[in-house]
Amino acid sequence: GQQLNQSPQSMFIQEGEDVSMNCTSSSIFNTWLWYKQEPGEGPVLLIALYKAGELTSNGRLTAQFGITRKDSFLNISASIPSDVGIYFCAGQLSGTYKYIFGTGTRLKVLA
Amino acid sequence: DTAVSQTPKYLVTQMGNDKSIKCEQNLGHDTMYWYKQDSKKFLKIMFSYNNKELIINETVPNRFSPKSPDKAHLNLHINSLELGDSAVYFCASSQTAASYEQYFGPGTRLTVT
Repeated sequence: GQQLNQSPQSMFIQEGEDVSMNCTSSSIFNTWLWYKQEPGEGPVLLIALYKAGELTSNGRLTAQFGITRKDSFLNISASIPSDVGIYFCAGQLSGTYKYIFGTGTRLKVLA
Repeated sequence: DTAVSQTPKYLVTQMGNDKSIKCEQNLGHDTMYWYKQDSKKFLKIMFSYNNKELIINETVPNRFSPKSPDKAHLNLHINSLELGDSAVYFCASSQTAASYEQYFGPGTRLTVT
């Protein structure tokens, strides 16, 4: 099945550092979403992007919809310990209602 | 006040058994989904129902059969369980099929021995 390539796979960072992760695909997407999943829970939506080139922020999180509509990135500034979790991108395939999820970025923040 | 709930939270069963997982949402949403998350955390859509009608049916063994008795409920029945079915199964819902925001349940961890 289809998957989005997400990188990096995992990150260990110090509290206060900025984090950047991205998703790329060979397919075109109408919508990009970024989710966070904590252990034992389902993913929770962080940011939604609708238009190519769109840059959207949610607190310390900033995400962008790539101009080619084939990629997206997520930045987290000034990380804190509760940022720990797995971050997933998800893209809505053009012409469908289906979302394809990225392979996830596991983030660990060292206090 | 749980928005999307699933039962059971954990399910341990033997190969060959038949089991069901239930999902309910109290958000008034029209669309519900089943996702499978494997041991590497890959999250993949299996099915989606919109107002009790199947709209997404991915390449899933026909041992898996979703059933939506009403738009607030989407159950997943699995026949003849296999070791490879072990995973976490997530139910989700969205306002409509075109809505971007999906609300996920807490997941059901299925272990087949």
